[in-house]
Amino acid sequence: GAVVSQHPSRVICKSGTSVKIECRSLDFQATTMFWYRQFPKQSLMLMATSNEGSKATYEQGVEKDKFLINHASLTLSTLTVTSAHPEDSSFYICSAFAGRTDTQYFGPGTRLTVL
Amino acid sequence: SQKIEQNSEALNIQEGKTATLTCNYTNYSPAYLQWYRQDPGRGPVFLLLIRENEKEKRKERLKVTFDTTLKQSLFHITASQPADSATYLCALDKDSGYSTLTFGKGTMLLVSP
Repeated sequence: GAVVSQHPSRVICKSGTSVKIECRSLDFQATTMFWYRQFPKQSLMLMATSNEGSKATYEQGVEKDKFLINHASLTLSTLTVTSAHPEDSSFYICSAFAGRTDTQYFGPGTRLTVL
Repeated sequence: SQKIEQNSEALNIQEGKTATLTCNYTNYSPAYLQWYRQDPGRGPVFLLLIRENEKEKRKERLKVTFDTTLKQSLFHITASQPADSATYLCALDKDSGYSTLTFGKGTMLLVSP
């Protein structure tokens, strides 16, 4: 149980384009999902907290107009990187919070490369 | 603000030995602390959660201790195997939200045959 999928696993795009990443909790409902980014040999950095049916809460320094988050249902959250630049290249990981166990379950991650 | 410290140097041990990883934290009293495993290019995988009122928790070959006085958690893998080689992340609930986590940088464990 507690499986989280993420799609796509890898994406390469041109500078200036937008990329959408999907995060789904497959076997449980998650009122709260999280989006992280991780640079090589660095820790996971929380970008935003996504609550179903409401606006996402962004961490300090994260541009909400650049990283659009939509949590449309209890099993799906999406992150759209708008007008991508090479410095947005990173490993993006989502997680879904299972309230029953106080645990975040992570997706496999998406490697974004912006040319 | 919260600060989590994990040994940044890789831990090299021989197969069969017990691996012990350390997580220290400051400026906070977490309600719980979690350990995750992360393989290269993959998302973290949940291993164990220990609450502030628990001193020790076990799961198969894994054992976690939680000392709220020392502000430290120890993570043990007994009878280690090469397949245990990975980066292990310590995380505690963020002071801004119960479900939100702050992660340490992780410690890489290398188990040689």
